[in-house]
Amino acid sequence: EAGVAQSPRYKIIEKRQSVAFWCNPISGHATLYWYQQILGQGPKLLIQFQNNGVVDDSQLPKDRFSAERLKGVDSTLKIQPAKLEDSAVYLCASSFGTSGTNEQFFGPGTRLTVL
Amino acid sequence: AQSVTQLDSQVPVFEEAPVELRCNYSSSVSVYLFWYVQYPNQGLQLLLKYLSGSTLVKGINGFEAEFNKSQTSFHLRKPSVHISDTAEYFCAVSDPRTGGFKTIFGAGTRLFVKA
Repeated sequence: EAGVAQSPRYKIIEKRQSVAFWCNPISGHATLYWYQQILGQGPKLLIQFQNNGVVDDSQLPKDRFSAERLKGVDSTLKIQPAKLEDSAVYLCASSFGTSGTNEQFFGPGTRLTVL
Repeated sequence: AQSVTQLDSQVPVFEEAPVELRCNYSSSVSVYLFWYVQYPNQGLQLLLKYLSGSTLVKGINGFEAEFNKSQTSFHLRKPSVHISDTAEYFCAVSDPRTGGFKTIFGAGTRLFVKA
């Protein structure tokens, strides 16, 4: 079974530029998550989709971050414009169910450096 | 709001010694509890989870954790560690009171196993 795919793996941009990350979850997984992991901290949930609907985006900085999940499958996360404090690893995860009891499967992450 | 505290940021231990990684969460209501591990240059993967029932939960690679409701703790243990257990360990809580069973991660504990 293929795991969660993310691209790119690394990205370096200058502040005020825009950037987009892509995630392809495990086939058949209803729930998709985007996390931000700043160095030395645990993952912080940015947005959670169930199928193609948003369940939680309370910690997404909506003035600069946006995300969509096309047809309930793959997803993109965009930052526009980027700030220095956005430097982090962006993790995508997926789970089969929607009840919170299911294991989340994580992708390898995208390491973003904002200069 | 729910929070997770991992009491040790780093735990050095000699090979074949026992280890305990501590985790406390803030709410006394029923929650789901997880431990994830992140090996160097790999994505997070589930070690074990507690949903209900027996308070002692066994996971992969010889790890186990004990749920203590009165102390709101979910400490991770292994009786004898190996060099290959060197990794970062994250405790996480899923709160069924939130619509999407939002998962909150602790800051992580870096386990370093020495020969």
